[in-house]
Amino acid sequence: AQKVTQAQTEISVVEKEDVTLDCVYETRDTTYYLFWYKQPPSGELVFLIRRNSFDEQNEISGRYSWNFQKSTSSFNFTITASQVVDSAVYFCALSYDTGRRALTFGSGTRLQVQP
Amino acid sequence: NAGVTQTPKFRVLKTGQSMTLLCAQDMNHEYMYWYRQDPGMGLRLIHYSVGEGTTAKGEVPDGYNVSRLKKQNFLLGLESAAPSQTSVYFCASSYSEEVGRRPLHFGNGTRLTVT
Repeated sequence: AQKVTQAQTEISVVEKEDVTLDCVYETRDTTYYLFWYKQPPSGELVFLIRRNSFDEQNEISGRYSWNFQKSTSSFNFTITASQVVDSAVYFCALSYDTGRRALTFGSGTRLQVQP
Repeated sequence: NAGVTQTPKFRVLKTGQSMTLLCAQDMNHEYMYWYRQDPGMGLRLIHYSVGEGTTAKGEVPDGYNVSRLKKQNFLLGLESAAPSQTSVYFCASSYSEEVGRRPLHFGNGTRLTVT
């Protein structure tokens, strides 16, 4: 069975602080994909990043960076120098390569960035 | 291109009433999904379809029915609405060969309240 755990329900930081959102996953598949989505207060789901199980290289995109570690089944997301516009709910999700191939979502982490 | 369009955007129902949520995509995607989003629970898969004329159950299918009579449309029906079905509903779609490898295309959601 697949499972995604986002243990942090809500995080509050002050603008310009760095913040890391944790994601731990469980799967028996050898080929799988991990995603991060952002849901701003307007409600839509915004895709941020995808990582496949064969690629453990960390990625940096502007103020965002992702740390994928298969040894600990984690795919953590760090925002550097947070801004008020980063305030949103962030979801980690897992997909597998066979069958229905649907996304399994974590419960989300609500990030509040205070000015 | 409109992408994935959900109608209606908002709806209020009384317990026992029925309704149909419509999801339409103009990308010729084979796979389509219905998710519901509840506070603290992330998104959970209700039903999905891997092609025209096919449907299958997800994690939380009880109380819902679906139909995929046309490739571009995926309908979610509530025959007798219950307050527990108060939620935000998201539709998503993808090409079959890209599922998992690429992010799903999500609609903007339908907020349903059952009183």
